[in-house]
Amino acid sequence: EDKVVQSPLSLVVHEGDTVTLNCSYEVTNFRSLLWYKQEKKAPTFLFMLTSSGIEKKSGRLSSILDKKELSSILNITATQTGDSAIYLCAVKANQAGTALIFGKGTTLSVSS
Amino acid sequence: SAVISQKPSRDICQRGTSLTIQCQVDSQVTMMFWYRQQPGQSLTLIATANQGSEATYESGFVIDKFPISRPNLTFSTLTVSNMSPEDSSIYLCSVVVDYGYTFGSGTRLTVV
Repeated sequence: EDKVVQSPLSLVVHEGDTVTLNCSYEVTNFRSLLWYKQEKKAPTFLFMLTSSGIEKKSGRLSSILDKKELSSILNITATQTGDSAIYLCAVKANQAGTALIFGKGTTLSVSS
Repeated sequence: SAVISQKPSRDICQRGTSLTIQCQVDSQVTMMFWYRQQPGQSLTLIATANQGSEATYESGFVIDKFPISRPNLTFSTLTVSNMSPEDSSIYLCSVVVDYGYTFGSGTRLTVV
């Protein structure tokens, strides 16, 4: 059975800290791994990593895919209170058009 | 990427009643996905809705409880039938356009 596991499940840090969120996966015919930020209801897209694009960066956020270890990390540097959210890792497997498989998410709380 | 309008944003319903959630996409898409997110949990796929055919339901979800309509390539509805408090969740629709996954704004359902 395909699965995506995230760790830690929750994390509390102070503003300015750097955090690393982890995601590991076991899926058939891996195609891509996606990171989302969920603050209220709808997840908002952060990054998509594939075999041809294993590292992405946007401002203070960056992500790396390790295909050998079947895992990915999401780094957030100089955290701000606005980074407080649930961070979801999802994997797309099999053929085109299939739904994403989500991990349970990491709840990040950044205190001022 | 596509823009999805999802309604209602939230609702409080009596047990035993039904609620229909609508998603309207600003472009034609082949597949639409319906997810449920129970409190403190990640997103779980309910079903995949294709235009012109019956929806494909995931294990643990049945058509009698979650009937889906897909009358055209830009619209779909999910009905939560005979609701119980265990149905209290966030419900999300999602589409994939050009390899990007987009989510509707979500429906927060509370069953009392």
